[in-house]
Amino acid sequence: AQSVAQPEDQVNVAEGNPLTVKCTYSVSGNPYLFWYVQYPNRGLQFLLKYITGDNLVKGSYGFEAEFNKSQTSFHLKKPSALVSDSALYFCAVRAEYNFNKFYFGSGTKLNVKP
Amino acid sequence: SAVISQKPSRDICQRGTSLTIQCQVDSQVTMMFWYRQQPGQSLTLIATANQGSEATYESGFVIDKFPISRPNLTFSTLTVSNMSPEDSSIYLCSATGLAGVDTGELFFGEGSRLTVL
Repeated sequence: AQSVAQPEDQVNVAEGNPLTVKCTYSVSGNPYLFWYVQYPNRGLQFLLKYITGDNLVKGSYGFEAEFNKSQTSFHLKKPSALVSDSALYFCAVRAEYNFNKFYFGSGTKLNVKP
Repeated sequence: SAVISQKPSRDICQRGTSLTIQCQVDSQVTMMFWYRQQPGQSLTLIATANQGSEATYESGFVIDKFPISRPNLTFSTLTVSNMSPEDSSIYLCSATGLAGVDTGELFFGEGSRLTVL
């Protein structure tokens, strides 16, 4: 069965410090991996994706994520957090052999304190 | 990226009534989906809206309760029928395959927040 796990409901970090939001996945075949951000009362905004190629992918707003096949992980990172990064983050996977489905994690609330 | 517009953005409805949410994409898309999200929670797929044919529903969702239309490649509607307070949620329209090219990611509208009294 395909699934995505975000083990942390909430991540707290001080402004200027690096942040990591964790994601692991289980999928048949090669995964297509995504991160989305949701601000209050808004839809989900696409941040970045891994489909193939370099394991380190860069996305919007200075975020990046590293695909680790052996650990089946796709953690979201940013070197220096901003208060404006505070939001709800979702990891998602699209399975190579079930391409019409996207599987979303439970979400991680990122709180960046000034 | 695509612009996906949803109407209404929010509404307060009475128990037993029905409401139709419209979703308009600014380009032709391959696939359209409808999700439900409780505030602060993850997304639950309701159905895949198929152009010119009946939607494909996920387990726990039925056509009588959530009729969906997709008359063309840019537009879809979701109706929430005979609403109860348990239907209070955010309903999200999403699409992939902009201009017929699937780059992998899913694009979302801003959501329709329904409150049922």
